[in-house]
Amino acid sequence: GPKVLQIPSHQIIDMGQMVTLNCDPVSNHLYFYWYKQILGQQMEFLVNFYNGKVMEKSKLFKDQFSVERPDGSYFTLKIQPTALEDSAVYFCASSFSAETLYFGSGTRLTVL
Amino acid sequence: QQQVRQSPQSLTVWEGETAILNCSYENSAFDYFPWYQQFPGEGPALLIAIRSVSDKKEDGRFTIFFNKREKKLSLHITDSQPGDSATYFCAASGPGNTGKLIFGLGTTLQVQP
Repeated sequence: GPKVLQIPSHQIIDMGQMVTLNCDPVSNHLYFYWYKQILGQQMEFLVNFYNGKVMEKSKLFKDQFSVERPDGSYFTLKIQPTALEDSAVYFCASSFSAETLYFGSGTRLTVL
Repeated sequence: QQQVRQSPQSLTVWEGETAILNCSYENSAFDYFPWYQQFPGEGPALLIAIRSVSDKKEDGRFTIFFNKREKKLSLHITDSQPGDSATYFCAASGPGNTGKLIFGLGTTLQVQP
């Protein structure tokens, strides 16, 4: 099936630094998402993005978070500055119609 | 407060048996219920989905039974195979298609040969 690629698969950074998580969505998809999963908890919606804009964001999407997809390239999640509680697996997803979501295999972020 | 609950947390069945995974939800406005299958090291992949206007959806060995009145649904995997061993997530969304899914905690299925 369609593949969403996430780079890198693991990232370790020091608290307070900036991190950018990259997602290469399915080529003809129009809707893009980030979800966050802390170990042992359910996957939680962070944000969705369509037509160059954030459509909706959850309370987990703190002011330190931002998303963009410049010129149809990677869909990115930037966290600046990072905090210890940002340690989690972040899943990117894309969709053509906002119904069937295709997920990447996740980026495990560890903030020290 | 968990809006989507799954049980059991883990389940072991023998090859050839039917595995039954349960899911319940709180919000009566939810109208779309996908089930995702996830293997270790991979992202969740859509397995099968149902809309609240239906009470059953079948795709090969996978069937969703949906009870709107009780706000419950279940995924039945018939003739379970070792390759079905994975974590299964029930999710819900609605109204309207935005892709904002509410996930359960998942059920880890082990199929013994």
